[in-house]
Amino acid sequence: GQQVMQIPQYQHVQEGEDFTTYCNSSTTLSNIQWYKQRPGGHPVFLIQLVKSGEVKKQKRLTFQFGEAKKNSSLHITATQTTDVGTYFCAGWDGGSQGNLIFGKGTKLSVKP
Amino acid sequence: NAGVTQTPKFQVLKTGQSMTLQCAQDMNHEYMSWYRQDPGMGLRLIHYSVGAGITDQGEVPNGYNVSRSTTEDFPLRLLSAAPSQTSVYFCASSWVSNQPQHFGDGTRLSIL
Repeated sequence: GQQVMQIPQYQHVQEGEDFTTYCNSSTTLSNIQWYKQRPGGHPVFLIQLVKSGEVKKQKRLTFQFGEAKKNSSLHITATQTTDVGTYFCAGWDGGSQGNLIFGKGTKLSVKP
Repeated sequence: NAGVTQTPKFQVLKTGQSMTLQCAQDMNHEYMSWYRQDPGMGLRLIHYSVGAGITDQGEVPNGYNVSRSTTEDFPLRLLSAAPSQTSVYFCASSWVSNQPQHFGDGTRLSIL
C-alpha cells in the first residue's frame, strides 16, 4: 500500500538557522498537504500542493512539490522559537479509499 | 463557530472498561475520521466515515467501533480497554477525504 516517509525524525536548530523536512511517497501523489502541531496541541493545516513542481510560500516557509509528484519539502528560513513543533506531510495517491496517508512527522526544536 | 469538538480532553480507564470518545463538528462536513497518535508513529487512521450511515475501517481498527447516525457526530467506542490503547486520539473532519483536515483538540487516554 501507499507509504509516506518523512525525514528527519528530529531536528534541533539554533534560532536563526534554516530548517528543512522532506517527504517521500512510494507512489505518485494527487496532492500533498502539510500540517503543524505545536507541543500539546492538534495538527493544523498549513498548505496543500497539487501541481507538479509547485512552489508556495508563506512568509518564511517555502513548500515544494516534486516534478514526479512523489516528494515534497518544507523549508523554514531563519527559524524562530515560534516555529517549534512537529511538521507532518500527508499525501493522497488517488487510491487508499480516498484517505490521506500521514508521514510520521519531523519534530523541530529551536534553541534561543 | 466551534469547528471540531472532542470530549473528554483527558480520561483514565482501567483495563477491560469501555468508554465512548465524543466528536462533533459544526461545519456540515461529510467526511469524519479518528486517528491515534503515539510517539514516533505519527497519525494512524482508526475508522472513517464519508457520510451519515456510512463507516469503514482504517489502518488500526481493532478494538474500536464507530457509528455515524448524523452528519455532525462521530463517536468512537472502546469496547474493552487495553493498555496498548493508551494514546492521544484526534477526530478530524473535511468536505471530502483527501482535502485539508480540521482536527479537534484531542483526547488523552490512559489505560491502566
